[in-house]
Amino acid sequence: SQTIHQWPATLVQPVGSPLSLECTVEGTSNPNLYWYRQAAGRGLQLLFYSVGIGQISSEVPQNLSASRPQDRQFILSSKKLLLSDSGFYLCAWSSGTGVYEQYFGPGTRLTVT
Amino acid sequence: DQQVKQNSPSLSVQEGRISILNCDYTNSMFDYFLWYKKYPAEGPTFLISISSIKDKNEDGRFTVFLNKSAKHLSLHIVPSQPGDSAVYFCAAIGTASKLTFGTGTRLQVTL
Repeated sequence: SQTIHQWPATLVQPVGSPLSLECTVEGTSNPNLYWYRQAAGRGLQLLFYSVGIGQISSEVPQNLSASRPQDRQFILSSKKLLLSDSGFYLCAWSSGTGVYEQYFGPGTRLTVT
Repeated sequence: DQQVKQNSPSLSVQEGRISILNCDYTNSMFDYFLWYKKYPAEGPTFLISISSIKDKNEDGRFTVFLNKSAKHLSLHIVPSQPGDSAVYFCAAIGTASKLTFGTGTRLQVTL
């Protein structure tokens, strides 16, 4: 069966510091991978998605970037965090073969102070 | 521009009764719809989906209804249980398999 991992689970970072969140998927090959953010009291906003290694599409102009160095690894980064980057970050995968359901990881709670 | 809207931020239902969660969308290109359930500090869990070629899909206690002409879908939970208390998100897919989420409805099932 497929499993998706995210770490860390929680993170407190000062403004201006760098960020690296990691997501890995097990039990599937060539998945579509996604990064979402849920800000307080709001829905899920798609940040990035990837259909393959090195292929990243950005949905929202922002202070963040994403990379996919391996087939089942997706990384969310920032060089300098802003207060507005605080939120709950979720990684998700889908099979990318005409099946639309996306499956989410446990999430990372990021607080920028 | 909020293309998927859940106009009720919260809903309270008594245990054993029916819960009805509503969702409206504006983009006529959406052709697949999903419902997710989310507990605090956890990732959303996929519940049920429906293709635009259908008007109903049922899975156990959960049924999703789609009214394409009204651009409206709803999730029915019967009977409601305390463990169903969570935030429910509807989502829609158009192009490139990208999900567009609503803002969620918090369901509380009371004893």
